[in-house]
Amino acid sequence: GENVEQHPSTLSVQEGDSAVIKCTYSDSASNYFPWYKQELGKRPQLIIDIRSNVGEKKDQRIAVTLNKTAKHFSLHITETQPEDSAVYFCAASSNTGFQKLVFGTGTRLLVSP
Amino acid sequence: GAVVSQHPSWVICKSGTSVKIECRSLDFQATTMFWYRQFPKQSLMLMATSNEGSKATYEQGVEKDKFLINHASLTLSTLTVTSAHPEDSSFYICSAKTGSEREFGPGTRLTVL
Repeated sequence: GENVEQHPSTLSVQEGDSAVIKCTYSDSASNYFPWYKQELGKRPQLIIDIRSNVGEKKDQRIAVTLNKTAKHFSLHITETQPEDSAVYFCAASSNTGFQKLVFGTGTRLLVSP
Repeated sequence: GAVVSQHPSWVICKSGTSVKIECRSLDFQATTMFWYRQFPKQSLMLMATSNEGSKATYEQGVEKDKFLINHASLTLSTLTVTSAHPEDSSFYICSAKTGSEREFGPGTRLTVL
């Protein structure tokens, strides 16, 4: 089955800096790669996603890149703000079977003022 | 947009008792729902895939006789934790498919004394 690895596990940056989180996946059939932000005790919130027919997608300060050949994808947050502090999860899903969504291990991002 | 609700939001029970958690899709039909478990400071781990009108599919290592899943309608899936033990204490989150995206419930925090 799919296995998603995520790095780093923690990331501390100063306000205004950029933050990059990287994930790798194992199943070449995976074609949907969402990123979630989760605050303590809350449900995951989708912040951006990318499909395998696209190499890059941007939404204001957030961008995601996908390298299908290397099976890795990355989240880029520019001009970080303290309110960006949270746990971020990458995930991967294929379009076969039940299309299960498998999560990465998570990155705790801390943005200091 | 699509909304998924869960009930209860939190529950405390004694060891050996059973607890039922409901997951509802409020404004759409969900033929497939997913159940995740999240321990503190860890990722969301997929437990099982729930399909309306058929048996659930469990991930490796998840006891199907302990975590009973019923998906009797297109808008309701239930997870029953049977003979709960303290190690079952966790945050349980359901998710429903809407196209290729996923909507998550708010989660249920289970504490077993």
